[in-house]
Amino acid sequence: GAGVSQSPSNKVTEKGKDVELRCDPISGHTALYWYRQSLGQGLEFLIYFQGNSAPDKSGLPSDRFSAERTGGSVSTLTIQRTQQEDSAVYLCASSHLGGSQETQYFGPGTRLLVL
Amino acid sequence: GQSLEQPSEVTAVEGAIVQINCTYQTSGFYGLSWYQQHDGGAPTFLSYNALDGLEETGRFSSFLSRSDSYGYLLLQELQMKDSASYFCAVRGDDKIIFGKGTRLHILP
Repeated sequence: GAGVSQSPSNKVTEKGKDVELRCDPISGHTALYWYRQSLGQGLEFLIYFQGNSAPDKSGLPSDRFSAERTGGSVSTLTIQRTQQEDSAVYLCASSHLGGSQETQYFGPGTRLLVL
Repeated sequence: GQSLEQPSEVTAVEGAIVQINCTYQTSGFYGLSWYQQHDGGAPTFLSYNALDGLEETGRFSSFLSRSDSYGYLLLQELQMKDSASYFCAVRGDDKIIFGKGTRLHILP
């Protein structure tokens, strides 16, 4: 596609429920990143994929968080047993590694609210 | 550890020039990027420096000094639409690290 897309754009869920967030990166981009941004805060790195593998999972805040990427394209971020502190905007970005300049292109984000 | 430091807020007057600084400490360094984010929007790429010196793109310029682990974003002829948060990001080793962002307030 023309840009990074994410779905859903907004998600309201009850505490304890599981949620799945989807990211469709720009076609051909091998690198995919997930970030979390709380209101008025900076970007918190969650996980990075190179192809289908995740060489860096260091940012996942707990074992309730997991992510996968299949076919080197679409990625899903899953949050199990959601907590109120999980409420944030979850941003996905993709980039094409290979050149000396790595520009990340961000999706519009998924706004998650846990009640 | 790895970290990026940038001011949390900066205020400037419309038409003026403002500089947003960023210092970093990372294992490995491949480049410094700047992103702009308006309220409610996603970050968008502004500039990238891999080598020392000044890169100019229209009203925006970015500077890097690798020996000082320091860079800055320079915004000239400020317009009200420039009111946003600005993030520096450093690519080190296998991932990119973002700073916490600088909120730019522009006064008329």
